[in-house]
Amino acid sequence: SQQGEEDPQALSIQEGENATMNCSYKTSINNLQWYRQNSGRGLVHLILIRSNEREKHSGRLRVTLDTSKKSSSLLITASRAADTASYFCATAPTSGTYKYIFGTGTRLKVLA
Amino acid sequence: KAGVTQTPRYLIKTRGQQVTLSCSPISGHRSVSWYQQTPGQGLQFLFEYFSETQRNKGNFPGRFSGRQFSNSRSEMNVSTLELGDSALYLCASSLDGTQYFGPGTRLLVL
Repeated sequence: SQQGEEDPQALSIQEGENATMNCSYKTSINNLQWYRQNSGRGLVHLILIRSNEREKHSGRLRVTLDTSKKSSSLLITASRAADTASYFCATAPTSGTYKYIFGTGTRLKVLA
Repeated sequence: KAGVTQTPRYLIKTRGQQVTLSCSPISGHRSVSWYQQTPGQGLQFLFEYFSETQRNKGNFPGRFSGRQFSNSRSEMNVSTLELGDSALYLCASSLDGTQYFGPGTRLLVL
């Protein structure tokens, strides 16, 4: 399969806690992006990290990238009920015809 | 700026029929990509168009085709529909690599 793998598949936490989700991929990449999707609707772009970057922050989001391990993590700090959604990573391979390859997603539920 | 729009939002078809979905990108965006999302297979890349040319293509049969017009609007066509084509079809437009997704078209094939 071309898909990346995300872990865990599902995560349930209390409001105020931190949520960490991981993404592993298979090929060399130009960049990796994280997206959020609410209830089977369109995806919302969260953050892009390039292959020569190791860490990036955006508000309560922190993304790390380890190209040697072909993995990335997304940390959401001080989670809120509104963060309840599915989170996907998408990689842009350096070769091949696929523009972006999406991971299987992590379903996050934040309990109020 | 208006976001990416997709029409129709919902569609019911029967096996063997064909369907055309439409996507209007954000103004100024010349790249439009299409994805199929199903519970079993997740999000899968269909194809990408840039300046009216197909630039990238995923691993889907020839029944899935697309095109892009000079105003960057894109259409996706699926011929001879199968039950397994039931899915949420998402399009995304891009200017600098960041993709902006539309709300999707939910297709049900009976």
